[in-house]
Amino acid sequence: DIQMTQSPSSLSASVGDRVTITCRASQSISNYLNWYQQKPGKAPKLLIYTASSLQSGVPSRFSGSGSGTDFSLTISSLQPEDFATYYCQQSFGALTWTFGQGTKVEIK
Amino acid sequence: EVQLVESGGDLVQPGGSLRLSCAASGFIFSSYWMSWVRQAPGKGLEWVANIKQDESEKYYVDSAKGRFTISRDNAKNSLYLQMNSLRAEDTAVYYCARIRRGGGVVTLDYWGQGTLVTVSS
Repeated sequence: DIQMTQSPSSLSASVGDRVTITCRASQSISNYLNWYQQKPGKAPKLLIYTASSLQSGVPSRFSGSGSGTDFSLTISSLQPEDFATYYCQQSFGALTWTFGQGTKVEIK
Repeated sequence: EVQLVESGGDLVQPGGSLRLSCAASGFIFSSYWMSWVRQAPGKGLEWVANIKQDESEKYYVDSAKGRFTISRDNAKNSLYLQMNSLRAEDTAVYYCARIRRGGGVVTLDYWGQGTLVTVSS
């Protein structure tokens, strides 16, 4: 099974900060990497698919990069509504998927 | 507007069974793979199962194999998850999600609001 490791598990940041979350796969997954945002009590929301494609309606301050085993999600200027938990997810191979453990972004 | 509405979550005893449903609307349900994802209280997301449009392919997380069955009824625009031999560790909010697949894209683009399954005596 492909393991996904996110770092950090949590971070504190201020409005306006640039924030980067990383995700590492235990084997190459090409660009089959998605990022989701989840707010408390709500369903996850797709932000980025195939490592770097922005889902329709998602603000351009969100961006993704990487391929192979190393990926990152960057928020260029953190906004109050961005405080949430972020998950990476691999969708490579035979449709048996795994999520990272999540990164909680909190207000400093 | 794409909508996914889960139902069927309940309190069930260990060893019991439960069937979750997901009603889909706003898109051509029969054209999409579908998925179940769960989240234990205070924990992260865990993919559970995927199903192809015609039910010819089904995939499960190891912990669900032999106990859970994913199915669908395209005439009713509905997705199901039959859960048997339930354990305390199956306690979670269960989400159904639509799979966008094609052109190099494989992702979960729409999610329901979730339904809570609690396994406890």
